[in-house]
Amino acid sequence: QKEVEQDPGPLSVPEGAIVSLNCTYSNSAFQYFMWYRQYSRKGPELLMYTYSSGNKEDGRFTAQVDKSSKYISLFIRDSQPSDSATYLCAMSRWGTGANNLFFGTGTRLTVIP
Amino acid sequence: DTAVSQTPKYLVTQMGNDKSIKCEQNLGHDTMYWYKQDSKKFLKIMFSYNNKELIINETVPNRFSPKSPDKAHLNLHINSLELGDSAVYFCASSNLAGVTEAFFGQGTRLTVV
Repeated sequence: QKEVEQDPGPLSVPEGAIVSLNCTYSNSAFQYFMWYRQYSRKGPELLMYTYSSGNKEDGRFTAQVDKSSKYISLFIRDSQPSDSATYLCAMSRWGTGANNLFFGTGTRLTVIP
Repeated sequence: DTAVSQTPKYLVTQMGNDKSIKCEQNLGHDTMYWYKQDSKKFLKIMFSYNNKELIINETVPNRFSPKSPDKAHLNLHINSLELGDSAVYFCASSNLAGVTEAFFGQGTRLTVV
């Protein structure tokens, strides 16, 4: 069993829809939870991160962490065609640096104008 | 200016060849990494270098060897290439300690034929 599981999609939504992306994990030692966005033929870029449980909001994006269920989510409100990308969750015990991040396989999102 | 740059972007080579991928970061980070993304988009760390010392060496074949001439560069040498080495290789950098954003390069798509 992989440490981090993520539905690969693909997911297609109309512009303006609310998007929900999710990951589950098995290692209860994870403390840092990140969402990366990867455009086609590009490297992943950090979108936002959360430490431990709780919610974090940044513009149209909201990250939620439920450590008791080992479940994290990313919500995108008023989705735009420019949000079309692969979204990868990542987790770590020690921080948000690139040392020993555990990634999900990514969910490919397409927002249709 | 590109924060983390790697060359080449694409590499097609025959089985048995030896090849290198170069990576440079201009962010002043103290740690650099190599990640491998397979055909299913699964990203996994291969190596981590901090102050010219290898601090993580995952179970990758010893045909892969990272070389760091200085703290801004981390090159990846691969000997006796095999078909299974075909993947996208990402270089990344961050600071080792604390909450710090990791920056990824654009990736090198390696195809072994």
